[in-house]
Amino acid sequence: NAGVTQTPKFRILKIGQSMTLQCTQDMNHNYMYWYRQDPGMGLKLIYYSVGAGITDKGEVPNGYNVSRSTTEDFPLRLELAAPSQTSVYFCASRPGWAALFGNIQYFGAGTRLSVL
Amino acid sequence: AQTVTQSQPEMSVQEAETVTLSCTYDTSESNYYLFWYKQPPSRQMILVIRQEAYKQQNATENRFSVNFQKAAKSFSLKISDSQLGDTAMYFCAFLRGGGADGLTFGKGTHLIIQP
Repeated sequence: NAGVTQTPKFRILKIGQSMTLQCTQDMNHNYMYWYRQDPGMGLKLIYYSVGAGITDKGEVPNGYNVSRSTTEDFPLRLELAAPSQTSVYFCASRPGWAALFGNIQYFGAGTRLSVL
Repeated sequence: AQTVTQSQPEMSVQEAETVTLSCTYDTSESNYYLFWYKQPPSRQMILVIRQEAYKQQNATENRFSVNFQKAAKSFSLKISDSQLGDTAMYFCAFLRGGGADGLTFGKGTHLIIQP
């Protein structure tokens, strides 16, 4: 069981470049999330989705875009990368409140992004 | 909005000792869940233990237990018989019940288990 898979694991971008961080889950979870973790800090929510076609902003959405065309995939798009976006990015998913353990989030392994 | 505070940036104990990590939170919600996550050097986020706010009984998972004080908004993690593999960052996190928004994390405590 793969769980939540993120690609790439590591990437270096130049200022102004764009990229997409991929996230896919094979647990048929409705809810999916993107977080960023800056050095010495906890994770902060960027965007989330409750199902295909539905997304909403989290605490730190500026500079990012998301889409959710399928239940499995939730890509995060960085447009015009800036040094402030240097961080570790985590994707997560959970079943939703109807499930027995619907409050438990499952995390991917993270993507370390450096913008130089 | 809710906040989560972990006041101990770093702790160090000897192997086999018991250690307690502190966490306080602030919320106006009555329905919520609390979690402790472990993040080893691999960066993987691993769920250690969770607590439902409506349950008075403290959660336990093997060597890990919590002291949940709802009125004081306190949620500490106790690790008994600590092992070298417990060395990691530990994050306290809050989840609002019934909503779709994500977890709110504290800044973390770096726990070092000395041999």
